[in-house]
Amino acid sequence: DAGVTQSPTHLIKTRGQQVTLRCSPKSGHDTVSWYQQALGQGPQFIFQYYEEEERQRGNFPDRFSGHQFPNYSSELNVNALLLGDSALYLCASSRGAQGLAGKTQYFGPGTRLLVL
Amino acid sequence: AQKITQTQPGMFVQEKEAVTLDCTYDTSDQSYGLFWYKQPSSGEMIFLIYQGSYDEQNATEGRYSLNFQKARKSANLVISASQLGDSAMYFCAMFRGANNLFFGTGTRLTVIP
Repeated sequence: DAGVTQSPTHLIKTRGQQVTLRCSPKSGHDTVSWYQQALGQGPQFIFQYYEEEERQRGNFPDRFSGHQFPNYSSELNVNALLLGDSALYLCASSRGAQGLAGKTQYFGPGTRLLVL
Repeated sequence: AQKITQTQPGMFVQEKEAVTLDCTYDTSDQSYGLFWYKQPSSGEMIFLIYQGSYDEQNATEGRYSLNFQKARKSANLVISASQLGDSAMYFCAMFRGANNLFFGTGTRLTVIP
């Protein structure tokens, strides 16, 4: 049973560039959430996709956008990169089920983004 | 608004001993879920255990158990028989808005041989 996968594992970009990160959910999961984790902090919620639509969004600017495909995989796009966007980006998948226990999120290994 | 507090930035435990990692929370919701995740140096967040606010029993998963005290709004993680591989960051989290997780600042656990 394949877990959550993310690509690439590491990425180096310069300020002003654009980046796309990819995520494939765990088998049987239909919901994908993205989190940003700065060094020494806990992850912060960016947004969540369900049925190919953004269902909820955290406190992140419009430079952060996403997409979910019919096979439930997802992309996170960040435009006009800033130095402060350097972080570990984590993707998590879950079932869009009723009941909190059914919504347990399982995380991928993350993509480490460095903006120079 | 939800809030998660982990007051222990770092903890040390002797191999084979038990350790308790503290987590207190605040929410106005009646129905909520609490989670613990482990993050090794590789970066991946590994789900350990879940406790629902209406669950009457404390959750257990192998060597992990959750000491849930609803009235005190605490959800402490207990790791029994610590192993060297348990050295990692541990995060307490709860659902916010039923769709996304809100994390605490984490506790770094070091297991000493």
